[in-house]
Amino acid sequence: NAGVTQTPKFQVLKTGQSMTLQCAQDMNHEYMSWYRQDPGMGLRLIHYSVGAGITDQGEVPNGYNVSRSTTEDFPLRLLSAAPSQTSVYFCASSYSYGQVMNTGELFFGEGSRLTVL
Amino acid sequence: GNSVTQMEGPVTLSEEAFLTINCTYTATGYPSLFWYVQYPGEGLQLLLKATKADDKGSNKGFEATYRKETTSFHLEKGSVQVSDSAVYFCALKGSSNTGKLIFGQGTTLQVKP
Repeated sequence: NAGVTQTPKFQVLKTGQSMTLQCAQDMNHEYMSWYRQDPGMGLRLIHYSVGAGITDQGEVPNGYNVSRSTTEDFPLRLLSAAPSQTSVYFCASSYSYGQVMNTGELFFGEGSRLTVL
Repeated sequence: GNSVTQMEGPVTLSEEAFLTINCTYTATGYPSLFWYVQYPGEGLQLLLKATKADDKGSNKGFEATYRKETTSFHLEKGSVQVSDSAVYFCALKGSSNTGKLIFGQGTTLQVKP
């Protein structure tokens, strides 16, 4: 089972460049989310989605866009990268409240390390 | 709003020592509580969970009890191993129907032989 797959694993950008972090899951999870992990800050929620066509902002959404056209995919877009966006990004998914298999557990990808120069 | 506070790290222990990592939370309603573990270079994975007051979650020798009266969910293990070296995150899921988890800042555990 693939689980949650993130690409790329590593990326270096220059200030002002744009890029998309890809996330795909094959577990039929309705809920998907993006976190960033910074030293001493834990994980902070950027955006999340409770199903195809539905997205919402988390704690730190500025500078990031998301869309959810399918259940499987939830890409994160950086429109104009800034050094403050240097971080490790994690995509995570779970069953939602209405899904029979829901246990509350969040499944994580392996992370994408982004450096903005 | 909901929040989670963990003890500051890093925590350095000798093999077979007793481990406690403190976690307290602030939440309305009846949240579910989780401990996640992150091994070097990997994503987070669920270690244990508890969904109501007085529940005890356990896995791989780790335990944590959901204490509503003290709003705490401290992680314990009686005898740590070098392989337990990792970052541990306490997390909370509120009583809303979304899957949102709120994480503490993480506690790094280093176990020396």
